[in-house]
Amino acid sequence: QLQLQESGPGLVKPSETLSLTCTVSGGSISSSSYYWGWIRQPPGKGLEWIGSIYYSGSTYYNPSLKSRVTISVDTSKNQFSLKLSSVTAADTAVYYCARQSVTTNDAFDIWGQGTMVTVSS
Amino acid sequence: QSVLTQPPSVSAAPGQKVTISCSGSSSNIGNNYVSWYQQLPGTAPKLLIYDNNKRPSGIPDRFSGSKSGTSATLGITGLQTGDEADYYCGTWDSSLSAGNAVFGGGTQLTVL
Repeated sequence: QLQLQESGPGLVKPSETLSLTCTVSGGSISSSSYYWGWIRQPPGKGLEWIGSIYYSGSTYYNPSLKSRVTISVDTSKNQFSLKLSSVTAADTAVYYCARQSVTTNDAFDIWGQGTMVTVSS
Repeated sequence: QSVLTQPPSVSAAPGQKVTISCSGSSSNIGNNYVSWYQQLPGTAPKLLIYDNNKRPSGIPDRFSGSKSGTSATLGITGLQTGDEADYYCGTWDSSLSAGNAVFGGGTQLTVL
């Protein structure tokens, strides 16, 4: 059974870079059938897509975050990562990694449990 | 402000039926598949419906989806207390050069 697990610091200072990693287990990140995405959810609010990556490294980002976001993939470690620069308190959220499947027309069919990131000095 | 519009809350009694609407535009719902997600308190979202009306393996047929024009609807029959959750619609928006995943603001379901 495929599982995704987010990891990274739970506290980031304002103006610094948020860095998270998603480890994929029980399956290969290099499958041609999937994209891998990051979604976040501020406390008490809705979902916001951040961006997605293919195993080849092809990426696409939310236009509202594009200038600050970098998503990368490491197929040797079966991981993909998120970097969000120049963070502010508005970036405080639960960050989820998720799989997009060709068979579900890119719906997010498997999610990690999420990791809370707080931006504060 | 979410791209897709959902009612903030709905409620119904156990055993009853409820519907949750999701309104968008021609650049998103009108020309793309809609998915629905269930988020139980304190947990990650879970895919309930994809391709407007298909259920992943393991999702009971009490959950159904439909789409008409630029709107979509999630239906839940035989309500159970365990269905109390936040529900989100999602799709892709083609208004920019690259696809952009968008979600509704979420609807809180209360089973009275």
